[in-house]
Amino acid sequence: DVVLTQTPVAQPVTLGDQASISCRSSQSLVHSNGNTYLEWYLQKPGQSPQLLIYKVSNRFSGVPDRFIGSGSGSDFTLKISRVEPEDLGVYYCFQATHDPPTFGAGTKLELK
Amino acid sequence: QVKLLQSGAALVKPGASVKMSCKASGYTFTDYWVSWVKQSHGKSLEWIGEIYPNSGATNFNEKFKGKATLTVDKSTSTAYMELSRLTSEDSAIYYCTREGQGFAYWGQGTLVTVSS
Repeated sequence: DVVLTQTPVAQPVTLGDQASISCRSSQSLVHSNGNTYLEWYLQKPGQSPQLLIYKVSNRFSGVPDRFIGSGSGSDFTLKISRVEPEDLGVYYCFQATHDPPTFGAGTKLELK
Repeated sequence: QVKLLQSGAALVKPGASVKMSCKASGYTFTDYWVSWVKQSHGKSLEWIGEIYPNSGATNFNEKFKGKATLTVDKSTSTAYMELSRLTSEDSAIYYCTREGQGFAYWGQGTLVTVSS
């Protein structure tokens, strides 16, 4: 199975600061059709995960533009500029290029 | 709007089975794959498998073959997952989620506790 390694495990932040989360894959996530199926989810405490980004850099409907996904191949990053209180929680990267689809272990965005 | 409403928490004995439901509304049920995802306490997420309601076609994570059975009832727009031969390792929250461009819609989760 494809292993997604997220760093850091926890990211202490001050509100208004920028945060950055890395997701590295054990193999390239470029599908044979040319698409890269790398997604980002946020799970707030006590809630279901919610989709932020699909295909590396596309924001899901309603997701603020302070969330920016980037990367290629096996190296991806989620940047959150101007962190707000509602951004706190656990972020997961997810790949659907290879079978079975797999999630990273998560990065907890928390207040300093 | 799109909603996925899952059945309530279940307490089941080791060795037994449990069947949970995921009722969809707000979209054409037969047009989208439905996936199921496991979250063990305090841990990350695991993809279990998916079903295409229109045909009943399924795909599974090898790890969950023989453990999970996925079905649908098109007349009620409901997806089901049955877990068999339960052990403590199966205690977790199980989510259904609708596929599309990513898992855009999620149910609220069903907590399964396996205990004697």
